[in-house]
Parts: sequence; C-alpha cells; structure tokens
Amino acid sequence: DADVTQTPRNRITKTGKRIMLECSQTKGHDRMYWYRQDPGLGLRLIYYSFDVKDINKGEISDGYSVSRQAQAKFSLSLESAIPNQTALYFCATELYNTGELFFGEGSRLTVL
Amino acid sequence: KQEVTQIPAALSVPEGENLVLNCSFTDSAIYNLQWFRQDPGKGLTSLLLIQSSQREQTSGRLNASLDKSSGRSTLYIAASQPGDSATYLCAVNVAGNKLTFGGGTRVLVKP
Repeated sequence: DADVTQTPRNRITKTGKRIMLECSQTKGHDRMYWYRQDPGLGLRLIYYSFDVKDINKGEISDGYSVSRQAQAKFSLSLESAIPNQTALYFCATELYNTGELFFGEGSRLTVL
Repeated sequence: KQEVTQIPAALSVPEGENLVLNCSFTDSAIYNLQWFRQDPGKGLTSLLLIQSSQREQTSGRLNASLDKSSGRSTLYIAASQPGDSATYLCAVNVAGNKLTFGGGTRVLVKP
C-alpha cells in the first residue's frame, strides 16, 4: 500500500460545485502539504500544516481551504470550483524539519 | 522571491548516452535542494536530497551537484536507459521548509 494515499484519483465536476480531495498517510509524519501542478509551471504550494492544529497559507491559497483532521489526514476543499482550478493536485508529507518530501500519486481535477 | 528554472524543458537522447539536467535558482540562501522524478500520471519520487552544506550526492547511476554561490544544481544520469524516460523536477527548500519547484525537464531516452 502507498504511504501517501489520495482520493479521488480523478474527478470531473461542474463550475460552482463543492469538491473535497482527501489525503491520508501512514508515514507518521507531522508535516503535510497540498500542491497544485499545471503544465510548464511546476508545482505551487496551496496550503501546509505542521501539526494537527496548525494551518498555513501557501502562495496560491485563494479559492481553497483545508482541514487537518488528524496527524494522518489532510483534506483540501474547493468551496465553489471554477474552470481555472483544473489541475493535478498533490499531497505531500515531511518528517519534521528534514526537508525531504514524499508525495502521493496525485488527484486529477477537471472543472467544466 | 525564490525562482527556480530548469533548462531545457525537454531532452531526447539515444540509449547509453549520459544525461545532464540543469537547475538554477535565484536566492542562494537555501536549506536544501531535492531532485524528483515524475512518470506520466504518477506522483513525484524523490531521487536525491542535497543539504546546503554538501557539494554533491550520489545514488547508483545518479549524481547531483550543488553550487550555492552560482545558484546551480546539475543532475547527471550515467549510461541512460529507456526506463529513465520521465520528467525530472528540482525543488529548492528555503527557510520555513517550503519548496519552490522548477518547471521540470521532460526526458526521452530512445532505444
């Protein structure tokens, strides 16, 4: 089983719908991240969390929210999806302060 | 603001040739630099992590160098194989442990 699991792997939705992407990890890491990948732009940080009660905005947090329900779970929500949020979304974990990230396999979201 | 650039965006080589992938960054005050491999439709797999105090890291056929003063890292893959075909991304970690990624280099190794 994967250490970092993302669900769903693929989702097609319509403009205005609420969408939740979920991430769970079995690595026991404190730190979790959500990134977005667009062609030619690399990955950009949306939100990150260093602990259960800790939530921090990344460089492109507008239109997104997150919830860290437990050490192992970090979910990303789009309250009202829009077409330019069509992208590949990655969850990642990091063992405290090592600087080495481990990624899930991604969730491909298409907003029509 | 840290900016990370990878040139070229795409590279095609015959099998057996050595691969040289470049990554440049604008702010030399980094914590570490990480190279990843991404296969189509897949997540990112960590290849090598170089701490700011290190000059290079090696793993099998892979060698990554780091020159902070010039803002550059190079990933060398010796004796390339078709299985090395993938997109390679570098990411720079600055204070606060947030990564800034380059746009990636898409590599095709032809049999």
